[in-house]
Amino acid sequence: GQNIDQPTEMTATEGAIVQINCTYQTSGFNGLFWYQQHAGEAPTFLSYNVLDGLEEKGRFSSFLSRSKGYSYLLLKELQMKDSASYLCAVSDSWGKLQFGAGTQVVVTP
Amino acid sequence: DGGITQSPKYLFRKEGQNVTLSCEQNLNHDAMYWYRQDPGQGLRLIYYSQIVNDFQKGDIAEGYSVSREKKESFPLTVTSAQKNPTAFYLCASKATNEKLFFGSGTQLSVL
Repeated sequence: GQNIDQPTEMTATEGAIVQINCTYQTSGFNGLFWYQQHAGEAPTFLSYNVLDGLEEKGRFSSFLSRSKGYSYLLLKELQMKDSASYLCAVSDSWGKLQFGAGTQVVVTP
Repeated sequence: DGGITQSPKYLFRKEGQNVTLSCEQNLNHDAMYWYRQDPGQGLRLIYYSQIVNDFQKGDIAEGYSVSREKKESFPLTVTSAQKNPTAFYLCASKATNEKLFFGSGTQLSVL
C-alpha cells in the first residue's frame, strides 16, 4: 500500500518563503503531484514530478528524490491568496493515486 | 470545451436510501477516480478504474459501488450500508503520465 505524510499546518508571513515536505512509501512509483485546494472547491494542479530534481514554475517549485521517497513544494513571495490546503499525491505502478492529508498554509500580513 | 462534469452539486439522502453521483468526462481519459473528503481532511480514495469494464477498490470502498460501462462515465452509488455518507465527493480523471483533472464536486448530506 501507500503511506503519504505531510505536515498538518504551516504559517508564514506575506512575502516570505514556505517549504512543504512530503514523504511517501509506495509499492512502485509512477509520479508525484502537488495540488492546491481552497475550502469548498476542487483541487487545482500545481506540479508533477516523475524524475528526480527540481521543477520550477513561477513562484512555485517542486522537488523529488525517488530514492528517499521525498518531495517538497516551495512557495516563494507568499501572497494572501496562497492561504490554502496543499495536497501531495502519489501514483503507484498500477495506477492507484492517493493523497496525503494536506498541509494548511496560513499567510499572515 | 473538454472537461469533467459532476452532478448534482448538492444531494440529500434519506435513511436507508441509495443515491448515485454522476461523473462524466469528454477528455478521452482511460483512468477515473472517486475520492471522499471530510471537513478539514485530505482526499481518500474510494474506487478507481483504469479501463472500461474494470475497476478496483480504494481504501474506503465499503458502502459504495461503481460501474464503468463507458469510457466517459464513472457513476458512484452510495448505498444504505454506508452509515456516515455526509462528505464532499470528488471525481477525477487522467491520461497516463499526465495530471489529474477534477470535477467540481458533489456535497452529500443526510436528511
